Amino acid sequence: SQQGEEDPQALSIQEGENATMNCSYKTSINNLQWYRQNSGRGLVHLILIRSNEREKHSGRLRVTLDTSKKSSSLLITASRAADTASYFCATDQRGSYIPTFGRGTSLIVHP
Amino acid sequence: ETGVTQTPRHLVMGMTNKKSLKCEQHLGHNAMYWYKQSAKKPLELMFVYNFKEQTENNSVPSRFSPECPNSSHLFLHLHTLQPEDSALYLCASSPQGDRLRDNEQFFGPGTRLTVL
Repeated sequence: SQQGEEDPQALSIQEGENATMNCSYKTSINNLQWYRQNSGRGLVHLILIRSNEREKHSGRLRVTLDTSKKSSSLLITASRAADTASYFCATDQRGSYIPTFGRGTSLIVHP
Repeated sequence: ETGVTQTPRHLVMGMTNKKSLKCEQHLGHNAMYWYKQSAKKPLELMFVYNFKEQTENNSVPSRFSPECPNSSHLFLHLHTLQPEDSALYLCASSPQGDRLRDNEQFFGPGTRLTVL
Protein backbone atom coordinates (compact mmCIF):
# COMPACT_ATOMS: atom_id res chain seq x y z
CA SER A 1 0.00 0.00 0.00
CA GLN A 2 1.15 3.56 -0.62
CA GLN A 3 2.96 5.03 2.34
CA GLY A 4 4.32 8.37 1.20
CA GLU A 5 2.42 11.16 -0.49
CA GLU A 6 4.24 14.05 -2.14
CA ASP A 7 2.92 17.57 -2.36
CA PRO A 8 2.53 19.45 -4.63
CA GLN A 9 1.93 17.09 -7.55
CA ALA A 10 3.48 19.62 -9.90
CA LEU A 11 5.73 22.63 -9.41
CA SER A 12 6.88 25.15 -11.99
CA ILE A 13 9.55 27.74 -11.15
CA GLN A 14 12.17 29.96 -12.74
CA GLU A 15 15.85 29.13 -12.74
CA GLY A 16 17.54 30.48 -9.63
CA GLU A 17 14.47 30.10 -7.41
CA ASN A 18 14.21 27.58 -4.62
CA ALA A 19 11.95 24.54 -4.96
CA THR A 20 10.30 22.92 -1.95
CA MET A 21 8.55 19.57 -2.04
CA ASN A 22 6.83 17.84 0.83
CA CYS A 23 6.18 14.24 1.72
CA SER A 24 3.71 12.94 4.28
CA TYR A 25 3.53 9.35 5.47
CA LYS A 26 1.29 7.29 7.70
CA THR A 27 3.21 4.85 9.91
CA SER A 28 6.45 4.84 11.88
CA ILE A 29 9.56 4.55 9.75
CA ASN A 30 13.21 3.58 10.00
CA ASN A 31 14.27 6.04 7.34
CA LEU A 32 12.99 8.19 4.50
CA GLN A 33 14.62 8.57 1.12
CA TRP A 34 14.30 11.03 -1.73
CA TYR A 35 14.81 10.00 -5.34
CA ARG A 36 14.85 11.83 -8.62
CA GLN A 37 13.66 10.55 -11.99
CA ASN A 38 14.26 12.15 -15.34
CA SER A 39 11.57 11.48 -17.91
CA GLY A 40 11.43 7.81 -18.94
CA ARG A 41 14.55 6.89 -16.97
CA GLY A 42 15.31 5.05 -13.76
CA LEU A 43 15.24 6.63 -10.33
CA VAL A 44 18.38 8.06 -8.83
CA HIS A 45 18.90 8.11 -5.08
CA LEU A 46 19.43 11.62 -3.70
CA ILE A 47 19.49 11.44 0.06
CA LEU A 48 18.48 9.24 2.98
CA ILE A 49 17.49 10.58 6.38
CA ARG A 50 17.09 8.33 9.39
CA SER A 51 14.21 8.56 11.82
CA ASN A 52 16.51 9.98 14.53
CA GLU A 53 17.79 12.77 12.26
CA ARG A 54 16.08 16.09 11.72
CA GLU A 55 17.98 17.65 8.85
CA LYS A 56 20.45 16.59 6.22
CA HIS A 57 22.31 18.42 3.45
CA SER A 58 23.84 17.32 0.18
CA GLY A 59 25.09 20.06 -2.14
CA ARG A 60 22.08 22.20 -3.05
CA LEU A 61 19.68 19.75 -1.40
CA ARG A 62 18.33 20.11 2.09
CA VAL A 63 16.03 17.50 3.60
CA THR A 64 14.15 17.84 6.86
CA LEU A 65 12.23 15.20 8.77
CA ASP A 66 9.55 15.76 11.40
CA THR A 67 8.55 12.39 12.81
CA SER A 68 5.93 13.94 15.08
CA LYS A 69 4.10 15.24 12.02
CA LYS A 70 5.10 12.29 9.87
CA SER A 71 6.40 14.60 7.18
CA SER A 72 9.55 15.48 5.28
CA SER A 73 10.54 18.25 2.94
CA LEU A 74 13.09 18.47 0.14
CA LEU A 75 14.48 21.89 -0.65
CA ILE A 76 16.47 22.49 -3.82
CA THR A 77 18.23 25.84 -3.65
CA ALA A 78 19.21 27.98 -6.65
CA SER A 79 17.43 25.65 -9.04
CA ARG A 80 18.71 24.97 -12.55
CA ALA A 81 16.95 23.86 -15.71
CA ALA A 82 18.74 20.52 -15.30
CA ASP A 83 16.83 19.97 -12.04
CA THR A 84 13.68 19.43 -14.10
CA ALA A 85 12.53 15.93 -13.12
CA SER A 86 10.10 14.04 -10.92
CA TYR A 87 10.99 13.71 -7.26
CA PHE A 88 9.81 10.83 -5.09
CA CYS A 89 9.94 10.13 -1.42
CA ALA A 90 10.20 6.56 -0.24
CA THR A 91 9.56 5.31 3.25
CA ASP A 92 10.10 1.96 4.86
CA GLN A 93 7.63 0.93 7.49
CA ARG A 94 9.05 -0.45 10.70
CA GLY A 95 9.50 -4.19 10.33
CA SER A 96 10.11 -4.00 6.60
CA TYR A 97 13.24 -3.03 4.68
CA ILE A 98 11.36 -2.44 1.43
CA PRO A 99 10.73 1.25 0.65
CA THR A 100 7.32 2.33 -0.57
CA PHE A 101 7.19 5.17 -3.08
CA GLY A 102 4.74 8.02 -3.43
CA ARG A 103 3.33 9.39 -6.68
CA GLY A 104 6.02 12.04 -6.94
CA THR A 105 6.27 15.78 -7.55
CA SER A 106 6.89 16.88 -11.10
CA LEU A 107 9.29 19.84 -11.07
CA ILE A 108 9.82 22.07 -14.09
CA VAL A 109 12.54 24.70 -13.91
CA HIS A 110 12.30 27.28 -16.67
CA PRO A 111 15.59 28.73 -17.95
CA GLU B 1 25.47 5.14 -14.60
CA THR B 2 24.09 3.50 -11.47
CA GLY B 3 25.74 0.10 -11.94
CA VAL B 4 22.42 -1.52 -12.86
CA THR B 5 21.75 -2.33 -16.50
CA GLN B 6 18.53 -3.42 -18.15
CA THR B 7 17.88 -4.90 -21.57
CA PRO B 8 16.13 -4.31 -23.80
CA ARG B 9 15.44 -0.61 -23.31
CA HIS B 10 12.33 -0.77 -25.46
CA LEU B 11 10.09 -3.73 -26.27
CA VAL B 12 6.94 -4.01 -28.35
CA MET B 13 5.13 -7.31 -28.19
CA GLY B 14 1.84 -8.86 -29.13
CA MET B 15 -0.43 -10.47 -26.58
CA THR B 16 0.56 -13.97 -27.67
CA ASN B 17 4.33 -13.39 -27.57
CA LYS B 18 6.78 -14.60 -24.97
CA LYS B 19 9.64 -12.30 -24.08
CA SER B 20 12.05 -11.74 -21.22
CA LEU B 21 13.46 -8.65 -19.55
CA LYS B 22 16.96 -8.82 -18.16
CA CYS B 23 18.57 -6.93 -15.32
CA GLU B 24 22.18 -7.08 -14.21
CA GLN B 25 23.87 -5.31 -11.33
CA HIS B 26 27.61 -4.83 -10.92
CA LEU B 27 27.47 -3.55 -7.35
CA GLY B 28 27.81 -6.73 -5.34
CA HIS B 29 24.31 -6.30 -3.93
CA ASN B 30 22.23 -9.15 -2.59
CA ALA B 31 18.69 -7.81 -2.99
CA MET B 32 17.03 -7.18 -6.34
CA TYR B 33 13.61 -5.79 -7.20
CA TRP B 34 11.17 -5.48 -10.09
CA TYR B 35 8.89 -2.44 -10.21
CA LYS B 36 6.16 -1.42 -12.63
CA GLN B 37 5.65 2.26 -13.36
CA SER B 38 2.48 3.27 -15.19
CA ALA B 39 1.46 6.79 -16.07
CA LYS B 40 -0.02 8.72 -13.15
CA LYS B 41 0.33 5.80 -10.73
CA PRO B 42 2.75 5.24 -7.87
CA LEU B 43 5.67 2.96 -8.45
CA GLU B 44 4.36 -0.59 -7.95
CA LEU B 45 6.59 -3.19 -6.34
CA MET B 46 6.26 -6.52 -8.14
CA PHE B 47 8.90 -8.92 -6.83
CA VAL B 48 11.81 -8.93 -4.41
CA TYR B 49 14.71 -11.36 -4.26
CA ASN B 50 17.08 -11.45 -1.32
CA PHE B 51 20.14 -13.70 -1.63
CA LYS B 52 18.47 -15.32 -4.69
CA GLU B 53 15.35 -16.23 -2.73
CA GLN B 54 12.03 -14.64 -3.60
CA THR B 55 10.78 -12.79 -0.53
CA GLU B 56 7.98 -10.70 -2.03
CA ASN B 57 5.36 -11.36 -4.65
CA ASN B 58 3.02 -8.41 -4.58
CA SER B 59 -0.04 -10.23 -5.98
CA VAL B 60 1.41 -10.12 -9.47
CA PRO B 61 -0.49 -12.03 -12.20
CA SER B 62 1.11 -15.30 -13.25
CA ARG B 63 1.74 -13.97 -16.76
CA PHE B 64 4.76 -12.30 -15.13
CA SER B 65 7.34 -14.85 -14.01
CA PRO B 66 10.56 -13.75 -12.29
CA GLU B 67 13.82 -15.64 -12.19
CA CYS B 68 16.94 -14.91 -10.17
CA PRO B 69 19.73 -17.37 -11.07
CA ASN B 70 22.32 -15.51 -8.97
CA SER B 71 22.61 -12.32 -6.97
CA SER B 72 23.76 -10.33 -10.00
CA HIS B 73 21.05 -11.24 -12.47
CA LEU B 74 17.29 -10.90 -12.47
CA PHE B 75 14.87 -11.78 -15.23
CA LEU B 76 11.20 -11.10 -15.81
CA HIS B 77 9.60 -13.57 -18.19
CA LEU B 78 6.51 -12.31 -19.95
CA HIS B 79 3.78 -14.31 -21.67
CA THR B 80 0.24 -13.62 -22.86
CA LEU B 81 0.36 -10.05 -21.63
CA GLN B 82 -2.49 -7.57 -21.87
CA PRO B 83 -2.41 -4.02 -23.26
CA GLU B 84 -2.79 -2.67 -19.70
CA ASP B 85 0.57 -4.24 -18.89
CA SER B 86 2.22 -1.58 -21.04
CA ALA B 87 4.46 0.39 -18.70
CA LEU B 88 8.04 1.17 -17.72
CA TYR B 89 9.53 -1.81 -15.90
CA LEU B 90 12.29 -0.88 -13.51
CA CYS B 91 14.85 -3.11 -11.88
CA ALA B 92 16.63 -2.07 -8.71
CA SER B 93 19.18 -3.51 -6.33
CA SER B 94 20.23 -2.76 -2.78
CA PRO B 95 23.02 -4.05 -0.55
CA GLN B 96 20.74 -6.58 1.11
CA GLY B 97 17.30 -7.01 2.46
CA ASP B 98 17.82 -6.12 6.08
CA ARG B 99 15.58 -3.76 8.02
CA LEU B 100 18.42 -2.88 10.34
CA ARG B 101 20.44 -1.34 7.53
CA ASP B 102 19.90 1.65 5.28
CA ASN B 103 18.28 0.38 2.15
CA GLU B 104 19.28 2.77 -0.60
CA GLN B 105 18.16 1.41 -3.95
CA PHE B 106 20.01 1.66 -7.24
CA PHE B 107 17.79 1.61 -10.30
CA GLY B 108 18.38 0.57 -13.86
CA PRO B 109 17.19 2.78 -16.76
CA GLY B 110 14.08 0.68 -17.27
CA THR B 111 12.46 -1.20 -20.13
CA ARG B 112 9.63 0.60 -21.88
CA LEU B 113 7.15 -2.16 -22.71
CA THR B 114 4.29 -1.76 -25.14
CA VAL B 115 1.77 -4.58 -25.51
CA LEU B 116 -0.30 -4.44 -28.68
